[in-house]
Amino acid sequence: QSVLTQPPSASGTPGQRVAISCSGSSSNIGLNPVSWFQQVPGAAPRLLIYTNDQRPSGVPDRFSGSKSGTAASLAISGLQSEDEADYYCLAFDDTVIGYVFGTGTKVTVL
Amino acid sequence: QVQLQESGPRLVKPSETLSLTCSVSGGSIINYYWNWIRQPPGKGLEWIGDIYYSGNTNYNPSLRSRVTISVDMSKNQFSLNLRSMTAADTAVYYCARNGYGGNGGFDFWGLGTLVTVSS
Repeated sequence: QSVLTQPPSASGTPGQRVAISCSGSSSNIGLNPVSWFQQVPGAAPRLLIYTNDQRPSGVPDRFSGSKSGTAASLAISGLQSEDEADYYCLAFDDTVIGYVFGTGTKVTVL
Repeated sequence: QVQLQESGPRLVKPSETLSLTCSVSGGSIINYYWNWIRQPPGKGLEWIGDIYYSGNTNYNPSLRSRVTISVDMSKNQFSLNLRSMTAADTAVYYCARNGYGGNGGFDFWGLGTLVTVSS
């Protein structure tokens, strides 16, 4: 019942730049900050970006986030094989009064 | 370094109640929101709900009628109760801290525990 829409897949060759979109609405992304998570198979999600464009300590600067209106985007520059994973966006929704995750995007490194 | 660890049954019968606990070590439970998230096998993440250390809660509307989240400050842990379990509730259940000002920066996660609903 996710209200944040992501493309199901994205891919690139090593060294390329990949961008993942997260489309929401005025009740979630339009009003509240966005976070991004990386999840490799069999592991818990890992925080990559918080408050739209902030990176926690230890996250490489190859990962960057942005937000405009009711959409957000995660960019991975200098794609590496270890970036192959599922990526999820997250935002608080003022209508449901709770957090909503994006549908998830599987990134493949060709 | 903050660490979270989920504990509870791995197998629950249909119609029964799931009870999970998340133990927090390496940091205090005070001044943070604490979350439960789940992920059915092969599917995406679903936010279940959260609790502030003072006891205020928010729940996913789709689960609100069946969920209770509570906190025990004396034990530095919080818990999830999910009633009337069905096969659709089979999932990996994670607990996570909402850091960075409570803006959705879920910065520390437990490893997750797979809960299967089956008779």
